[in-house]
Amino acid sequence: NAGVTQTPKFQVLKTGQSMTLQCAQDMNHEYMSWYRQDPGMGLRLIHYSVGAGITDQGEVPNGYNVSRSTTEDFPLRLLSAAPSQTSVYFCASSYGPANYGYTFGSGTRLTVV
Amino acid sequence: AQKITQTQPGMFVQEKEAVTLDCTYDTSDQSYGLFWYKQPSSGEMIFHIYQGSYDEQNATEGRYSLNFQKARKSANLVISASQLGDSAMYFCAMNNNNDMRFGAGTRLTVKP
Repeated sequence: NAGVTQTPKFQVLKTGQSMTLQCAQDMNHEYMSWYRQDPGMGLRLIHYSVGAGITDQGEVPNGYNVSRSTTEDFPLRLLSAAPSQTSVYFCASSYGPANYGYTFGSGTRLTVV
Repeated sequence: AQKITQTQPGMFVQEKEAVTLDCTYDTSDQSYGLFWYKQPSSGEMIFHIYQGSYDEQNATEGRYSLNFQKARKSANLVISASQLGDSAMYFCAMNNNNDMRFGAGTRLTVKP
């Protein structure tokens, strides 16, 4: 059972480039979300999805797009990378939003130069 | 918007002693969930304990317990009999209406 798989683990981008961070889960979880972690700021919610075809914005959505065409996959797209998007990105999933702990992926460390 | 506050950037505790990590939250909703996650130096996020806003008893998971005081809007994590492996970052989080927010975290160091 793989859990939540994120790829790539590390990425360096040039300012202005675009890329997609991949996230896949094999636990049939309805709820998936993306967070970024910056020093001293904890985790901040970027986008989330409560099921296939449904997405919504979190606390810091600007500069990011998501889609949820299947239950398993929830990719995060950076449209035009900026140095301010240098961060560690975590994908998480859960059976439901209310009282279930999230299962997190191992994270993607992104550097924008 | 809901807000989670962890006022202790770092804490030290002697091995085998108890430690309390503070967490306060702000919400106007009555239904919400409170969580604690552990992040060791390897970087992964590990769910540890959950408390529902309507739960009357404090949640416990082995040596971990959540001291829930609803009127004070606090959800402190108590670790009894600390072990060296407890050294990590600890994040308090609150989930309400599909929106899970995290505090800034507390770095716990257990001394031998």
